Amino acid sequence: DQQVKQNSPSLSVQEGRISILNCDYTNSMFDYFLWYKKYPAEGPTFLISISSIKDKNEDGRFTVFLNKSAKHLSLHIVPSQPGDSAVYFCAANAGNQFYFGTGTSLTVIP
Amino acid sequence: EAGVAQSPRYKIIEKRQSVAFWCNPISGHATLYWYQQILGQGPKLLIQFQNNGVVDDSQLPKDRFSAERLKGVDSTLKIQPAKLEDSAVYLCASSFGASGAYEQYFGPGTRLTVT
Repeated sequence: DQQVKQNSPSLSVQEGRISILNCDYTNSMFDYFLWYKKYPAEGPTFLISISSIKDKNEDGRFTVFLNKSAKHLSLHIVPSQPGDSAVYFCAANAGNQFYFGTGTSLTVIP
Repeated sequence: EAGVAQSPRYKIIEKRQSVAFWCNPISGHATLYWYQQILGQGPKLLIQFQNNGVVDDSQLPKDRFSAERLKGVDSTLKIQPAKLEDSAVYLCASSFGASGAYEQYFGPGTRLTVT
């Protein structure tokens, strides 16, 4: 039962352009949504989160948008940099449970 | 500030053998998580501790997996006996609190291969 889905396995973007990573979920009871970034052979690193009572959260080049009616969230990276090349995981939290998507591999082309 | 430490980094065992993983969380973090990440999938939460008590272990295959967090600091995750499908990266994470409001800090993981 995949409660959090990332339907795009990979994404390529030119340096300086916007990267948009998408995530869909099925459980309307999720309280928080989080984005993690993962480099090879390392553990995931927290990027940004959003509470279910908000529709936008911004931190520097990273902005997360939440559309509760569509059960959809997206991560915008502007401008994209080569160091942003990594796998991005979307995660959702309800109570004591955390559910992760399968990840989107972002490649930023110099 | 030291991050989450895990050992070993890699482990290869034969099926039906046992294996144990160790995690040392960030100092002061009350909450500790163990995740299983199978190749091509996202991390799956196995068990969550708050100090030395289990908060949730609903997705832990208890017939073969066990975990403990003695004294509310270090934790060990054990598999006995291992199956081929247990091949995965086992990630440990810690945080100040138990909800999604608290950032989780992950260790580098232990890559387990069961042959």
